[in-house]
Amino acid sequence: DARVTQTPRHKVTEMGQEVTMRCQPILGHNTVFWYRQTMMQGLELLAYFRNRAPLDDSGMPKDRFSAEMPDATLATLKIQPSEPRDSAVYFCASGLDSWLAGSTTQYFGPGTRLTVL
Amino acid sequence: AQKVTQAQTEISVVEKEDVTLDCVYETRDTTYYLFWYKQPPSGELVFLIRRNSFDEQNEISGRYSWNFQKSTSSFNFTITASQVVDSAVYFCALSEGSNYQLIWGAGTKLIIKP
Repeated sequence: DARVTQTPRHKVTEMGQEVTMRCQPILGHNTVFWYRQTMMQGLELLAYFRNRAPLDDSGMPKDRFSAEMPDATLATLKIQPSEPRDSAVYFCASGLDSWLAGSTTQYFGPGTRLTVL
Repeated sequence: AQKVTQAQTEISVVEKEDVTLDCVYETRDTTYYLFWYKQPPSGELVFLIRRNSFDEQNEISGRYSWNFQKSTSSFNFTITASQVVDSAVYFCALSEGSNYQLIWGAGTKLIIKP
């Protein structure tokens, strides 16, 4: 049963510290999405990668957030420096995008619950 | 403009009752896709179903069924003989054409009481 994995599952850090979240997409998937979920804003798309290329990061605060895909099996989301308002659950999702399939079905990882004190 | 409305913020039923979660969408595209996801208390988002705009057949999967009606722009989700394990927040979502962006509904919190 192929799944998206995310580490860490929980992270508590202090304001100003760097936070790195990791995601392993489902093998064979060519798209990766990063989302943030909060009670107030719901699910927000932060970044979108296709074939490891960043195609959309318009949802990310540029000054402190960065997302990369060093290889096809790893996506990272970094926050530096972290702030209390970054406290949220961060989800990674992956999918297989092809012209035959039309829209990509996104499969989500378990999330990283981030608390910034 | 595209939009997904889940008007029911919270539904509470007793186990074994049937329950329907409503989803109404707005789009100008003729090609679009509708999704349902489940988020149980443990927090993960679980994909349930995807339906494209050209396929109006209703879908049944065990106790779950989905009713897609283009005439009313609705894609409702029914759980038959609900169980406590069905307690979760359920999200309806829409994507248009080959657009990767999902437009999410606000979610319906479903509480199944034993």
